[in-house]
Amino acid sequence: QSALTQPRSVSGSPGQSVTISCTGTSSDVGGYKYVSWYQQHPGKAPKLMIYDVSKRPSGVPDRFSGSKSGNTASLTISGLQAEDEADYYCCSYAGSYILVFGGGTKLTVL
Amino acid sequence: EVQLVESGGGLVQPGGSLRLSCAASGFTFSSYWMTWVRQAPGKGLEWVANIKEDGSEKYYVDSVKGRFSISRDNAKNSLYLQMNSLRAEDTAVYYCARDSNGWSTDYWGQGTLVTVSS
Repeated sequence: QSALTQPRSVSGSPGQSVTISCTGTSSDVGGYKYVSWYQQHPGKAPKLMIYDVSKRPSGVPDRFSGSKSGNTASLTISGLQAEDEADYYCCSYAGSYILVFGGGTKLTVL
Repeated sequence: EVQLVESGGGLVQPGGSLRLSCAASGFTFSSYWMTWVRQAPGKGLEWVANIKEDGSEKYYVDSVKGRFSISRDNAKNSLYLQMNSLRAEDTAVYYCARDSNGWSTDYWGQGTLVTVSS
């Protein structure tokens, strides 16, 4: 049950695209199609942005997209906006009804 | 409107116990797996435990096995987390969340802070 690996921080200017990676193992990210991504603003509860690797819940802008290759999942945010500045966490199913989160990535919009 | 409201957090001494509650409304509580996630101050999210719709299956992160117990009362639309033998490293905001597609969690409560300190 080791945490997934995310970069501690990423940044981009308004209108640009950024990608946040999430690296696990064949026992979690690589083994299942169950990767989700959460956005968390300071002092707030997390918000689901992506589930099942690449699906968006209703209400999430299509600027947010997810993908996976091998043991690494990615969240891409295109057309960056000021309100996208937040912490982002990936989460993967790890078998036996266990879940594991990434360490989180702070996104700064320059 | 889906709402999850946690309560029961507070200051407790190391070795002590605390019971967190989560009151659910706005959806058919008995039809969903439920989850507890915690976040230590200034740190990332950590999955703690989850429980099947009817309470028949429960799973825990290794660090809380044998000390924490998740339960639910579907008649009261409530989720619980009994925390025993608390340690300083259990200090965190504890979130109650509803499980959704693909083991994601689509609704979260506002969290309740648990502080373990002497």
